Amino acid sequence: ETGVTQSPTHLIKTRGQQVTLRCSSQSGHNTVSWYQQALGQGPQFIFQYYREEENGRGNFPPRFSGLQFPNYSSELNVNALELDDSALYLCASSLTGGATNEQFFGPGTRLTVL
Amino acid sequence: AQSVAQPEDQVNVAEGNPLTVKCTYSVSGNPYLFWYVQYPNRGLQFLLKYITGDNLVKGSYGFEAEFNKSQTSFHLKKPSALVSDSALYFCAVTRGSARQLTFGSGTQLTVLP
Repeated sequence: ETGVTQSPTHLIKTRGQQVTLRCSSQSGHNTVSWYQQALGQGPQFIFQYYREEENGRGNFPPRFSGLQFPNYSSELNVNALELDDSALYLCASSLTGGATNEQFFGPGTRLTVL
Repeated sequence: AQSVAQPEDQVNVAEGNPLTVKCTYSVSGNPYLFWYVQYPNRGLQFLLKYITGDNLVKGSYGFEAEFNKSQTSFHLKKPSALVSDSALYFCAVTRGSARQLTFGSGTQLTVLP
């Protein structure tokens, strides 16, 4: 059974640029959630995708957008990068979108915005 | 709205001693509660969850947690700490209709040899 994988591992961008982060969900999981973890803080929910549709969104601006593909892999896109976007971005997959299912996290992508 | 508080940024305990990492929550309706552990430069690993039923939940690596509805708490415990338990621990809450997990700020556990 393959776990959740994310790419790239690290990324450095400058303010105003755009970035795409990728996530492959665990085998058999149809739900992917994205979180932002700033240094010294807990993860903050960005949004969730279930069967290719956005299924819930946290308090993040529209410049944070996503996609989920038929194989349930997912992308997180961030436009017009700001310095405060520097963080660890975590992807998590779960068996379904139900609240009782534990989420399985990938190792994250460390984004640095200069 | 839902929220989690982890009142201790840092917990130190000697190897072999019992450990407790505290968590309190606020949520409308019945809570679903989770504990995750994060090792340096790694993602979060699931430890255990409370959905319903027995207030004492057992999880991975010998950890357990006790759900206390009256005190709105879900403290993580282990009878005998190991040095390898040293890591960052996060408590999280959600509820039936919600899609998001809301995490606490984390507690750094250090087990001293």
